[in-house]
Amino acid sequence: SAVISQKPSRDICQRGTSLTIQCQVDSQVTMMFWYRQQPGQSLTLIATANQGSEATYESGFVIDKFPISRPNLTFSTLTVSNMSPEDSSIYLCSVVRGTQPEAFFGQGTRLTVV
Amino acid sequence: GDSVTQMEGPVTLSEEAFLTINCTYTATGYPSLFWYVQYPGEGLQLLLKATKADDKGSNKGFEATYRKETTSFHLEKGSVQVSDSAVYFCALFRTGNQFYFGTGTSLTVIP
Repeated sequence: SAVISQKPSRDICQRGTSLTIQCQVDSQVTMMFWYRQQPGQSLTLIATANQGSEATYESGFVIDKFPISRPNLTFSTLTVSNMSPEDSSIYLCSVVRGTQPEAFFGQGTRLTVV
Repeated sequence: GDSVTQMEGPVTLSEEAFLTINCTYTATGYPSLFWYVQYPGEGLQLLLKATKADDKGSNKGFEATYRKETTSFHLEKGSVQVSDSAVYFCALFRTGNQFYFGTGTSLTVIP
């Protein structure tokens, strides 16, 4: 299994500012995933973060808006930059573990941009 | 590409009612299939999974059978409880790929 600590759990931010979300895993993992969950919607993969290389972004997401750091095998950050109300969402980090793979999730960061 | 189609909600049931949430998938090869549950204010947790055709995943009274012929993985529970109120996500995973999630089905169980 994997225990993932994500913080902050929630925040209310002013438009135009940036927020950095932290994700700490209790053991080393190769890949960490960042998702966005908009109200009433499913999870949308933002990017995959690999240690020692640049993150791989999905269509519709760019590094300037969502810069990601992955300084070691147990930690990653996602920054939501120059926020607008449309960025209001839940952001989740995730890892995949096991030979019969299972996804583990942090508790999420509920972001409200006003 | 890979995708998951899930029954839309919200679903409201009385306690002890029978639950079915439909899920079908599109994927090449032989994906593993999952149901995740998200309780209010929490992240997603694995509810059950099945890794090959005809496997049945089960947990906490919930069951789902991997049906390759119908590309389905419907979630069922014979008698729901108020504590089952949550959002349920169907998902698939292929080795070397990523998880794909359905849109989620919100379940509310009333006493």
